[in-house]
Amino acid sequence: AQSVTQPDIHITVSEGASLELRCNYSYGATPYLFWYVQSPGQGLQLLLKYFSGDTLVQGIKGFEAEFKRSQSSFNLRKPSVHWSDAAEYFCAVGHGTASKLTFGTGTRLQVTL
Amino acid sequence: GAVVSQHPSRVICKSGTSVKIECRSLDFQATTMFWYRQFPKQSLMLMATSNEGSKATYEQGVEKDKFLINHASLTLSTLTVTSAHPEDSSFYICSASSGTSGGASTDTQYFGPGTRLTVL
Repeated sequence: AQSVTQPDIHITVSEGASLELRCNYSYGATPYLFWYVQSPGQGLQLLLKYFSGDTLVQGIKGFEAEFKRSQSSFNLRKPSVHWSDAAEYFCAVGHGTASKLTFGTGTRLQVTL
Repeated sequence: GAVVSQHPSRVICKSGTSVKIECRSLDFQATTMFWYRQFPKQSLMLMATSNEGSKATYEQGVEKDKFLINHASLTLSTLTVTSAHPEDSSFYICSASSGTSGGASTDTQYFGPGTRLTVL
């Protein structure tokens, strides 16, 4: 069965600092990997996704993620965080975007000014 | 981009009543819709997958007679929480995709803004 682990429940960074959110997955085949962001009381917005090809994926809002098969990881990064990035971030794995997704428990990002 | 709406955004009901939540894909045809439940400060848990015109597939542990799902058209799916109880209070989120459930489609899954259900 597929599973996703986000080791960090809560992260606080200063505005302008770099960010890395960790995600580890368990899946028997080639995974489809996703990062979503959720603002309070809102639905999820897709930041980026990886299906195949270049292991460094660029997303919206200046985010990127790198797929590392050897480490079963898909960490999310941003070189300079903005206060508006404060939200909950979810990593998810699926074997196709139209198939069901398994989500991690999320990482809450707090940005200090 | 593709937009998915949910109605209502918030609902408060008395214990024992039924509540219907609508999920609409506004600018695309959704062959597959998913219903998730999210408890406070927790992740999304998939409840069921519905394909237009067929019965929904429920995840293990989800009572299909309590959470009725109907996907009658390519733009509308409904979730009805029957005989709601306080433990059903949660944030319910739907998503929609134009791909086929279970396939290796690269169609994106678009999420609605969620419905906050409070059962008194």
